[in-house]
Amino acid sequence: KAGVTQTPRYLIKTRGQQVTLSCSPISGHRSVSWYQQTPGQGLQFLFEYFSETQRNKGNFPGRFSGRQFSNSRSEMNVSTLELGDSALYLCASSPRQGAGLYGYTFGSGTRLTVV
Amino acid sequence: GDSVTQMEGPVTLSEEAFLTINCTYTATGYPSLFWYVQYPGEGLQLLLKATKADDKGSNKGFEATYRKETTSFHLEKGSVQVSDSAVYFCALSDRMNTGFQKLVFGTGTRLLVSP
Repeated sequence: KAGVTQTPRYLIKTRGQQVTLSCSPISGHRSVSWYQQTPGQGLQFLFEYFSETQRNKGNFPGRFSGRQFSNSRSEMNVSTLELGDSALYLCASSPRQGAGLYGYTFGSGTRLTVV
Repeated sequence: GDSVTQMEGPVTLSEEAFLTINCTYTATGYPSLFWYVQYPGEGLQLLLKATKADDKGSNKGFEATYRKETTSFHLEKGSVQVSDSAVYFCALSDRMNTGFQKLVFGTGTRLLVSP
């Protein structure tokens, strides 16, 4: 059974650029969530998608956006990159929306470096 | 909002030693509790979970008991191995205003096990 697949694994971007990260959930999982991991702030919730709709959003500026496709694959976009956006971005999937009863299965992450 | 507090690391142990990583939480409701593990260069893996008071989660020799009276979910293992060296995250499911749930993570505790 394939796990959660995130691409690319590593990215280097310049300030002001935009970036798109991709996540393919486990087959049959309909919920996809995104988290940002940094040494200073730890793991912070970005947003959750279920059935192509954003269900929850964390406390991040509008430069962070996402979407989910009909096959449950999700993309996350960050526009006008700032140095502080350098982080490991983790995607997680769950059979249903919310993580209360199931927990998540995480991907290996995309490490974004903004220079 | 809800929060999780973990003991500072790193925790340094010799192989076959007993492990305890403390975790306490603050929550207004009745969250589910989780332990995740992150190996170098990888995403997070769900280690164990407990969904109600007095539940004991267990996996791969690790155990944690949901203690509502002390708001704790301490991780224990009777005999650690070098391969257990990783960062361990305690987390709870937090019900958002939308009625849905996200995970709130502690800051992580690094475990180093020497032969």
